[in-house]
Amino acid sequence: DIQMTQSPSSVSASVGDRVTITCRASQAISSWLAWYQHKPGKAPKLLIYAASSLQSGVPSRFSGSGSGTDFTLTISNLQPEDFAIYYCQQARSFPLTFGGGTKVEIK
Amino acid sequence: QGHLVQSGAEVRKPGASVKVSCRASGYTFTNHDFSWVRQAPGQGLEWMGWISPSTNNKHYVKKFQGRLIMTTDTSTSTAYMELRSLRSDDAAIYYCARHRESDTWFDSWGQGTLVTVSS
Repeated sequence: DIQMTQSPSSVSASVGDRVTITCRASQAISSWLAWYQHKPGKAPKLLIYAASSLQSGVPSRFSGSGSGTDFTLTISNLQPEDFAIYYCQQARSFPLTFGGGTKVEIK
Repeated sequence: QGHLVQSGAEVRKPGASVKVSCRASGYTFTNHDFSWVRQAPGQGLEWMGWISPSTNNKHYVKKFQGRLIMTTDTSTSTAYMELRSLRSDDAAIYYCARHRESDTWFDSWGQGTLVTVSS
């Protein structure tokens, strides 16, 4: 199974900040990576797929990069509605696996 | 974009079974595969398995094999997840998730179904 490791597990930031979250795969997955935003009591929301493609309707302050084993989600100009938990997910092979999550908290 | 509506919260005793439904609308049901994902209290997201409504092909995570059954009903555009022999650590929110086109990431999710397992 491909293990996904996210860091940090939590980050405190202020509105307007730039936040970077890292995801590392235990083996190369090319660009088979997605990022989701998850708020309590709501369904997860797809932000980025294929490592760097922005899902329709997602604000452009979200961006993704990387390939192989190392990936990054960047949130530029953090907004109040962005405080949530973010997960990466490898889509290269079954079983599909998620990272442990990164909680973005208000500073 | 598709809309997925899941069945309501369930309470089961250990050893019982639960069946959660996920009704799809707004798109052609057989054009997108489904996965089921769960989140235990205080934990992250856990992928359980995949089913294709068009081919009925499936893949279950090994830890659930023998207990998990995924089905679809194309006449009602509904996907089902049944988990048997429930244990206390099966208590979680269960989500259905639609695959984006032919990919293995999820562009639409149900609202989640809380399953409580308690004696």
